[in-house]
Parts: sequence; C-alpha cells; structure tokens
Amino acid sequence: EPEVTQTPSHQVTQMGQEVILRCVPISNHLYFYWYRQILGQKVEFLVSFYNNEISEKSEIFDDQFSVERPDGSNFTLKIRSTKLEDSAMYFCASSETGAFSYEQYFGPGTRLTVT
Amino acid sequence: GQSLEQPSEVTAVEGAIVQINCTYQTSGFYGLSWYQQHDGGAPTFLSYNALDGLEETGRFSSFLSRSDSYGYLLLQELQMKDSASYFCAVITGANNLFFGTGTRLTVIP
Repeated sequence: EPEVTQTPSHQVTQMGQEVILRCVPISNHLYFYWYRQILGQKVEFLVSFYNNEISEKSEIFDDQFSVERPDGSNFTLKIRSTKLEDSAMYFCASSETGAFSYEQYFGPGTRLTVT
Repeated sequence: GQSLEQPSEVTAVEGAIVQINCTYQTSGFYGLSWYQQHDGGAPTFLSYNALDGLEETGRFSSFLSRSDSYGYLLLQELQMKDSASYFCAVITGANNLFFGTGTRLTVIP
C-alpha cells in the first residue's frame, strides 16, 4: 500500500539554526500539507500546497517557514532560524484531488528538538 | 477562526460501546472528519461526514448535525487496540484539517 514517508525521523538542532524536513507524498496525490504537534497537544495545521503554490497557511506559518517541491517527488518544510518553541512532531500529509477526496494520508512524522 | 471541543478523556470496557462527542465553531465548513492516533504514531483517517446523518464503517460510525454544529464518533465492540487518541477535525474550503483537542480513549478489560 502506498504511504507517505518522511526524513529524518528525529532531528536535533541548536536554536537559530536552519532545518529542512523532507517528505515524499503518495505519488498520485496532488495536495500536500504540513502539520505540527507539540507533545501532548493537538495537531495544528501549518500550510497546504497545490499546483506548486501555497493554498492556505495558518498564523503559525510565519516568515521563518517556507515550503518547496524541488522535484516531482519531494516536498520540504524549511525553518530558517529555529526557536525553542519550534520543538514538535512535524507531520506531512497528502491527499488526492477531487471534491470527495477528503482522506489525508499522514507520514510517520519528524520529531524536531531545538536546544 | 476554528474552535472544536471534545472530552479530554474517556474510559470504557472491552466489548462495550463508546461515543465521543465533538462540537465546533468554524468560519468555513465542508465536513467533519475523525482521525485516530496511537501514542507515538501518525493520525490515521477513520471517517468523514459532509451531510447530516450517520456513516458506518465496520465497528466505527460517525454522525453529523450541521444545524447543531455537532458530531460524534461511535465505537462498537471495543477492543484493547482501540486505546488511542481520537480527534475530530473540520475541513475548510482548501481541504485543510483543523483538529480538535483530542479525546484519549482507554479500553480496560
């Protein structure tokens, strides 16, 4: 069964450093998303991406964040200058196109620890 | 903005039925989804309701009342493996998911 993959599984970085989280969505999906989940809290929407551009972004997704689809398979989330409060699990998700394709498939997540 | 309320914790006995409620306030609404998340795992899709009424998928059913801004997830014949967190999530026009606070279900023998 096709699945969303994410690398790395765990990333430790120092405050102020840049990090890039990588995702490979399911191959025939056209909508891509990033979510984050601070330990013990709810999953929070960050950004959605369709047709090589951002569809919608939340208040969390400020100028420190950017997304890119550098090739036909990868989807990346960059945090330019990490802060302690960026420590969280980051989930990538993808979904098919179409009016009734509301099921989103989540990757296993990248745990980001900022020290 | 979006606001979703769920009970924080529910405990039920193996083999029983449990209902997890969700009330929402949202500026844009296309439907209500439910996701299951085991500790340390990723959310996995359970169900989706766009219209009022009950949707059944095996042991799981989900209900939506748009006029009441209310939905619930019904789990029947509970199994130990159903112990997890359950999140309701509203879907906005861009297919984005806005999650509730989550309900931690503990199934006891």
